[in-house]
Amino acid sequence: KAGVTQTPRYLIKTRGQQVTLSCSPISGHRSVSWYQQTPGQGLQFLFEYFSETQRNKGNFPGRFSGRQFSNSRSEMNVSTLELGDSALYLCASSLTGGDQETQYFGPGTRLLVL
Amino acid sequence: AQSVTQLGSHVSVSEGALVLLRCNYSSSVPPYLFWYVQYPNQGLQLLLKYTSAATLVKGINGFEAEFKKSETSFHLTKPSAHMSDAAEYFCAVSPAGRRALTFGSGTRLQVQP
Repeated sequence: KAGVTQTPRYLIKTRGQQVTLSCSPISGHRSVSWYQQTPGQGLQFLFEYFSETQRNKGNFPGRFSGRQFSNSRSEMNVSTLELGDSALYLCASSLTGGDQETQYFGPGTRLLVL
Repeated sequence: AQSVTQLGSHVSVSEGALVLLRCNYSSSVPPYLFWYVQYPNQGLQLLLKYTSAATLVKGINGFEAEFKKSETSFHLTKPSAHMSDAAEYFCAVSPAGRRALTFGSGTRLQVQP
């Protein structure tokens, strides 16, 4: 099976712009989670989607949003970019999002905000 | 809220030496625990996970971890380090019902020849 894929892999934006990142989960996986990784804050949970519904959300401002499509692919959007949004954004998928299920991570999208 | 503490942001060992990476969790109820590894410019790869089936968990690449409830610990070990083990390692907890991983701050393992 193909793993989790994320596009694009690298992105450069300027402050105030918006950005959309895409994630395709492993075939058959219906839960998709997003995490932000920065040197200062480490790995932080953004949100989780299952069957096109957001089931859980981390402590991030409303500028961060996401959605999931009927084929389980997911996108996350960041509006009005700030310098502090520069990070590696990781997507992870699992079968149903159960607590003990393994989350399989993609390679990430590295976002640089100038 | 449940949290994870990884002692030592950097650990350096010689090739062939024992690897010990420390992880302590805070929880009154044993959670689900995971160890992930991240190689440069890559995502996270699962090494092993504890889901209450057995306290000694064996993972990939010769790694194992022992769940000790009395010490609230889940330390990662490998008897003999290999150069290819150089990477960053993350301990994570999955609080019941939250469907989200809470990660420790990570430990960067350096393996000296």
